[in-house]
Order: sequence, then structure tokens, then C-alpha cells
Amino acid sequence: GQQVMQIPQYQHVQEGEDFTTYCNSSTTLSNIQWYKQRPSGHPVFLIQLVKSGEVKKQKRLTFQFGEAKKNSSLHITATQTTDVGTYFCAGHGSARQLTFGSGTQLTVLP
Amino acid sequence: EAQVTQNPRYLITVTGKKLTVTCSQNMNHEYMSWYRQDPGLGLRQIYYSMNVEVTDKGDVPEGYKVSRKEKRNFPLILESPSPNQTSLYFCASRHDRVSGTEAFFGQGTRLTVV
Repeated sequence: GQQVMQIPQYQHVQEGEDFTTYCNSSTTLSNIQWYKQRPSGHPVFLIQLVKSGEVKKQKRLTFQFGEAKKNSSLHITATQTTDVGTYFCAGHGSARQLTFGSGTQLTVLP
Repeated sequence: EAQVTQNPRYLITVTGKKLTVTCSQNMNHEYMSWYRQDPGLGLRQIYYSMNVEVTDKGDVPEGYKVSRKEKRNFPLILESPSPNQTSLYFCASRHDRVSGTEAFFGQGTRLTVV
């Protein structure tokens, strides 16, 4: 079945540093979504990318979808303590199933 | 307010004692699913339902049952819980579209089986 790998599993950064998490799928995706889970919270939708090579921005967050629609990345510029949490990618395959990556847990040190 | 409601939020039970975790959504979503979250493993799908009376196994269905008698409700049943089912469980719902839609998650149920 479809597998979605995400790295790194953990990332500690100093406040103000940049952060990137990467997502790779074993199969071509129809679209990819990103979610954020705050500590002790539930996953909350951030964005969906659909087109090959698509790039979207939300303030300090930049999301990219690869040309082959098999990989994606989330980049945060100048992290803040409010960015703390676990970031998940989730890929939609041909069966319309949403498969989540294992997540990247971000810690921001003040 | 659009939401997915899970109950209970916390549950401690003993091995073999049947339990049900309820999930209800008020957004008229066709698609509902259950996930378990374990450290380092992300969110793994247990069961999903694409509409009323239509359910199917996800990646880790062993030891779980579900039902979808009404569109808004999707309970998760553990007939004989075991310690390896200790986990954080999330219910999620979304519209079922080929183009992909945002999933809304419940608050989570932290289950401990002793």
C-alpha cells in the first residue's frame, strides 16, 4: 500500500532559526496536505497542495510539492515559540485514502 | 460550530473489558475514520467509512470494530482490549471528494489498557 515517509522525526532549533521537514511518498500523489498538532492537541489542517511543483506560502511557512508529486516540504523561516508542535504531511493517493507521515516534532528553544 | 466530538477523552480499562469510543460530527461529512497515534509511528488508520453502512479496514484494524448506522456517528469498538491497544486515538471526518478535502479531527481519546 501507499507509504509516506517523513524526516526528521525530531528537530530542536533556537528561536529565530529556520526549520524544514521533508515528506516522501512511495507512490504518486493526487495531492498532499499538511497538518500541525500542538502539544496535547489534535491535528489541525494547514494547507493542501495539488499541482506539480506548486509552492504556497502562509506568512513564515512555505510549502512545496515536488515535480513528480511524490515529495513535499514545509519550511518555517525564523521560528518562534508558537511554532512548537508536530507537523504531519498526509498524501492522497488514487484510492482517495489519506496516508499520514510519521510527523516531525519541532522544539523551539527561547 | 463545526466540530468532531469524541468521548471519553481519557479512559483506563482492564484487559478484556469491552469498550466503545464515540465519535460524532456535525458537518454532514461522508467520510469518517479512526486513527491511532503512537510515538514515532505517526497517525495510523484503523478503519474508515465512506458513507452510511460502508466501512473498510485501514492499516491496523486488528482488535477493532466500527459501525456507521448514521452519517454523523462512527463509534470505535474494542471487544477485548489488550495492553498493546494503549494509545492516543483520533476520529476524523471530511467531505469525500476526488480533489481532496481538509480533515477535521476530534480532541482525541487517551486509552490505557492494564
